[in-house]
Amino acid sequence: NAGVTQTPKFQVLKTGQSMTLQCAQDMNHNSMYWYRQDPGMGLRLIYYSASEGTTDKGEVPNGYNVSRLNKREFSLRLESAAPSQTSVYFCASFDIPNTEAFFGQGTRLTVV
Amino acid sequence: AQSVTQLGSHVSVSEGALVLLRCNYSSSVPPYLFWYVQYPNQGLQLLLKYTSAATLVKGINGFEAEFKKSETSFHLTKPSAHMSDAAEYFCAVTFNQAGTALIFGKGTTLSVSS
Repeated sequence: NAGVTQTPKFQVLKTGQSMTLQCAQDMNHNSMYWYRQDPGMGLRLIYYSASEGTTDKGEVPNGYNVSRLNKREFSLRLESAAPSQTSVYFCASFDIPNTEAFFGQGTRLTVV
Repeated sequence: AQSVTQLGSHVSVSEGALVLLRCNYSSSVPPYLFWYVQYPNQGLQLLLKYTSAATLVKGINGFEAEFKKSETSFHLTKPSAHMSDAAEYFCAVTFNQAGTALIFGKGTTLSVSS
């Protein structure tokens, strides 16, 4: 049972480049989330998806887009990366019956 | 909208001392509350959760938290700190069981000295 899998684990981008962070869960959860973690700021919600085909903005959506491709996958796209997007990104899915979120191991992104 | 405030970005205790990490929430409807722990360069691990059952919740590694509606608080405690408890701790809130928006506090770093 893999849980929540994020790829890649590390990435360095140049300013203006684009990339997509991939996330997949194998627990059949409806809800999925993308967060960014910065020192002293905790985890801030970028986007979330309550079910397949729906997405909503979180606290810090600017500069990002998301796709809920199917129930398993929820991707995060940076169209034109900026140094301010240097962060650790976490994907999570939510188990409704047990009221618990499960997290991936994170993607450490550096934009230079 | 719901929110979480963690009082104290850094808490230092001696080994064997009481650990108290503070969390206050804001929610217009009954909340579901969580404490997560993050060890260096790792993901988040659930310590405990409150889902409107017992107000005193026991979690892993000897931690517990008490939901106090009158104080809008969900403080995390452990009677006796161990060196291995040194980590960052996050309080989180959601307002319905679907976990539609799971919001985190800014975190508290716990240091434990011998």
